[in-house]
Amino acid sequence: DAKTTQPNSMESNEEEPVHLPCNHSTISGTDYIHWYRQLPSQGPEYVIHGLTSNVNNRMASLAIAEDRKSSTLILHRATLRDAAVYYCILCQDYAGNNRKLIWGLGTSLAVNP
Amino acid sequence: DAGVIQSPRHEVTEMGQEVTLRCKLISGHNSLFWYRQTMMRGLELLIYFNNNVPIDDSGMPEDRFSAKMPNASFSTLKIQPSEPRDSAVYFCASSLAGGLSTDTQYFGPGTRLTVL
Repeated sequence: DAKTTQPNSMESNEEEPVHLPCNHSTISGTDYIHWYRQLPSQGPEYVIHGLTSNVNNRMASLAIAEDRKSSTLILHRATLRDAAVYYCILCQDYAGNNRKLIWGLGTSLAVNP
Repeated sequence: DAGVIQSPRHEVTEMGQEVTLRCKLISGHNSLFWYRQTMMRGLELLIYFNNNVPIDDSGMPEDRFSAKMPNASFSTLKIQPSEPRDSAVYFCASSLAGGLSTDTQYFGPGTRLTVL
């Protein structure tokens, strides 16, 4: 299984942008890049996903390198509620039309007031 | 929509006892995932159902673990007999169509299991 590599932890200040990096050098051509986050004592929640082009939604932006071997999740203005573990995940094809998420250990983001 | 519902939220049991965890999918969702989360190993996929059929159970640790979907909206994960190393948070997630690479998984609040 292709894997992702993320820093164990990062720190940010409130209302500043945050760039969360992820390396996935063994990514295959059909693998989608998904980001989820897990707030304390909660289940993970979806943030964003993409294949080749940069993506934006109300929560964040996803910048994907041209060679697709890395990506960056961008939180434009961090709030205290954004303190969470952020997972960069590859969605891989297997067994025909089935796909599964390959989870890493994520980046724990602390946001300082 | 109430989201994915899991019960119980906390379970404390003694080694050797049977444990049953329950999950109710979001209405209209066709895929169901059971995960286990520990500090050491992170989030691990145990089993994945699509339209009530188990697609991938390669993550189920051993024969002590079993999962069923008796109907389209409900699933159970059973551990018999339980062991201390099974202590973890167990998450259930559902999605509209698990076979799509753009599909989003919606997680429940989890069941924190402690086996003494």
